[in-house]
Amino acid sequence: QSALTQPASVSGSPGQSITISCTGTSTDVGTYNLVSWYQHHPGKAPKLMIYEVSERPSGVSYRFSGSKSGNTASLTISGLQAEDEADYYCCSYAGTLTYVVFGGGTRLTVL
Amino acid sequence: QVQLQESGPGLVKPSETLSLTCAVSGGAISSYYWSWIRQSPGKGLEWIGYMHYPGTTGNYNYNPSLRSRVNLSLDTSKNQFSLKLSSVTAADTAVYYCATIKSGGGAFEYWGQGTLVTVSS
Repeated sequence: QSALTQPASVSGSPGQSITISCTGTSTDVGTYNLVSWYQHHPGKAPKLMIYEVSERPSGVSYRFSGSKSGNTASLTISGLQAEDEADYYCCSYAGTLTYVVFGGGTRLTVL
Repeated sequence: QVQLQESGPGLVKPSETLSLTCAVSGGAISSYYWSWIRQSPGKGLEWIGYMHYPGTTGNYNYNPSLRSRVNLSLDTSKNQFSLKLSSVTAADTAVYYCATIKSGGGAFEYWGQGTLVTVSS
């Protein structure tokens, strides 16, 4: 069982927006602004999409945005495109001992 | 841009030691923090550990649940990062990824494509 809780799946039609939630605790998401999100197409290298809750790395589309409220972080993808169909994982810093914890992943289906 | 490529045996027997190497190109191994992450079949991602140059005490950290079995190392002459996981069981069957840690911490910037290791007799 993963430390962070994500929905197993979400879906949306092209052009729509979807949001993936990531619920942790006061020892990880709730305390640190070090939440990151990864896009993973099976068989490929995972890709960093969001870091430090809401920062986008260079080259990542503006359609991807992140936010946090309390112990829950969220990834929003606007203007869904077929290429967005992938697995998405959240991750949070959890202190020097544990370092990071991951979510179980969310399968995004673009209908 | 840094590129990473994992390599190692795809099959390891129970109780033996799993050994993987991450070959680094496009950047010096001394310039980054390095990490191993794994994904067991049908499960989420699990952080294994991280290390940064020179790899001495204070420059690495391991997942508490794996600490007694994990050893990480850096080879600056070959620009490689290595993982050894001892006394493996079927529960260690996973795709193993190496990755760099983004400055500021807590996020994994560049990843390899991963290598599947199966533990079976």
